[in-house]
Amino acid sequence: GENVEQHPSTLSVQEGDSAVIKCTYSDSASNYFPWYKQELGKGPQLIIDIRSNVGEKKDQRIAVTLNKTAKHFSLHITETQPEDSAVYFCAASKKSGNQFYFGTGTSLTVIP
Amino acid sequence: GAVVSQHPSRVICKSGTSVKIECRSLDFQATTMFWYRQFPKQSLMLMATSNEGSKATYEQGVEKDKFLINHASLTLSTLTVTSAHPEDSSFYICSARDDGTPYEQYFGPGTRLTVT
Repeated sequence: GENVEQHPSTLSVQEGDSAVIKCTYSDSASNYFPWYKQELGKGPQLIIDIRSNVGEKKDQRIAVTLNKTAKHFSLHITETQPEDSAVYFCAASKKSGNQFYFGTGTSLTVIP
Repeated sequence: GAVVSQHPSRVICKSGTSVKIECRSLDFQATTMFWYRQFPKQSLMLMATSNEGSKATYEQGVEKDKFLINHASLTLSTLTVTSAHPEDSSFYICSARDDGTPYEQYFGPGTRLTVT
């Protein structure tokens, strides 16, 4: 089955700096890679996703890059703000099964 | 769009009783829904995949007789924790796959279950 690893587990950055979270996956058949933001006591919220037919996707301050050859993908948050503080999860899935395999999460703290 | 609700958001029950958690897709149809369990500061653990009109598929190690899943319509799936014990206390989260898109899943806000 699929194995998704996520690093780092915790990340602290100064407000205005960039944050990068990295994930690797094992199943080359995986073709969909979403990122979720989870605030304390709430369910995960989809913030950005990428499919295997593209290498990069950007939405305002958030971007995701995908390297299919190396089987890794990354989340980039620029100009971080305190409200970006949360736990971020990466996931991988195949359309055929659509089961999501989640990374272990990254707790991001943006220091004002 | 793409809103998933869960009810209740919090529930406290006594050991030995059963509790039902509802998951609804409010603005889209979802043939497939998923139930997750999350322990503090940990990732989401998939418990089962719920399919409308058919039996749920449970992950290895999840007792299907203890965690009853019913997906009676394209917008509603329920999880019933039967004969609850304190170790069942956890954060339960559902997600729904939008039938109109091939990939995306949208998560509910979660239900905090405490068994006393």
